[in-house]
Amino acid sequence: DAGVIQSPRHEVTEMGQEVTLRCKPISGHNSLFWYRQTMMRGLELLIYFNNNVPIDDSGMPEDRFSAKMPNASFSTLKIQPSEPRDSAVYFCASSPSNREETDTQYFGPGTRLTVL
Amino acid sequence: AQKVTQAQTEISVVEKEDVTLDCVYETRDTTYYLFWYKQPPSGELVFLIRRNSFDEQNEISGRYSWNFQKSTSSFNFTITASQVVDSAVYFCALSDGGGADGLTFGKGTHLIIQP
Repeated sequence: DAGVIQSPRHEVTEMGQEVTLRCKPISGHNSLFWYRQTMMRGLELLIYFNNNVPIDDSGMPEDRFSAKMPNASFSTLKIQPSEPRDSAVYFCASSPSNREETDTQYFGPGTRLTVL
Repeated sequence: AQKVTQAQTEISVVEKEDVTLDCVYETRDTTYYLFWYKQPPSGELVFLIRRNSFDEQNEISGRYSWNFQKSTSSFNFTITASQVVDSAVYFCALSDGGGADGLTFGKGTHLIIQP
């Protein structure tokens, strides 16, 4: 079975440019999460969706960040304009809603973003 | 507010030694879930175990075992007869259950197994 798919795996961009990260959750999973990992702050939740609806975006650092989930099999995280402090690994995770596994999140391989 | 503390930033042991990674959590919820994830040098996050707040039974999976104690709000992870392949960063995490909520992660423990 395919796991969570993220693209690109690596992204290098210059300050001020728009960056779009993509995620395809595991088929049948109803919840999708975006996390960011940095040395200073560790792993932190940015936003999560349930049945394609954003539930909690309190972790989104500022208005430059936006996330969408137009359908059950695709989500994007956009940064516009990007800044060097956005450099991090961005993880997407998905979770099933069946009773036995609620809350178990399965992570994608991550996108390593470098903003110069 | 939820909080997960992994006080051990880095642990280094020689292969075949047993090692325990500590995790202490804080939550006001009576229903919650605890997790351990492994992050090897390749960078992905690998799910290891999920435990709900009503199940305090210890769990063993091969060389891995977990000890959940609500009285001390701890969920410790022990690797028996460690191997070099166990070298990774290990994260403890908490969610408040009741649906698909985000995880609160500890800062992680970097485990180094020396040959």
